[in-house]
Amino acid sequence: QVQLQESGPGLVKPSETLSLTCTVSGGSLIRYYWSWIRQPPGKGLEWIGYIYYSGSTSGSTNYNPSLRSRVTISGDTSKNQFSLDLSSVTAADTAVYHCARSPSINYGMDVWGQGTTVTVSS
Amino acid sequence: DIQMTQSPSSLSASVGDRVTITCRASQGISDSLGWYQQKPGKGPKLLLYAASRLESGVPARFSGGGSGTDYTLTISSLQPEDFATYSCQQYYTTPYTFGQGTKLEI
Repeated sequence: QVQLQESGPGLVKPSETLSLTCTVSGGSLIRYYWSWIRQPPGKGLEWIGYIYYSGSTSGSTNYNPSLRSRVTISGDTSKNQFSLDLSSVTAADTAVYHCARSPSINYGMDVWGQGTTVTVSS
Repeated sequence: DIQMTQSPSSLSASVGDRVTITCRASQGISDSLGWYQQKPGKGPKLLLYAASRLESGVPARFSGGGSGTDYTLTISSLQPEDFATYSCQQYYTTPYTFGQGTKLEI
């Protein structure tokens, strides 16, 4: 049974870079779509972007245009981990951040991490 | 971006009730729609994909319907564990977008 676990700092200062890692256990990164999604307090879910590995080397990415200038999603298939970097953060980036898996481009997100809360504050 | 408008935003119901939640897309999404259940402190759980296909392990009291821009999630007979927040998501095109959520309360 595949499980996802987010990890990273719970507090980030304004203008700095938020960095989170999602560790995948019980499965491989290969041939799945791996997304980051966030939920600001009191608001709905927002898709940040995904990385897809068709093989064991480099992944292809797709980002939400609203965040594209600040987002990088990368991964390491040997460690079964993928990561999110969000630069120049502000208080508006305060949210619960989830990682999730999609089996294909024509499917929902069938496995989710429980989420990690990130607060942007000085 | 495709806007997903979900209604109602909250709903009070009782065990045994039949409830329906609606999701409207700002353009046609060809049934590329998922429904999720979320409980406090947990990640969302996929209930249905392709608008009406039940995810493995999800009880049959959950069903989905609709086409084009208008979709529904129906719970035929509410159970105590169903009280949660429900969200729809379109994956027809990126950026993927979600509805604002419906909080189902007793």
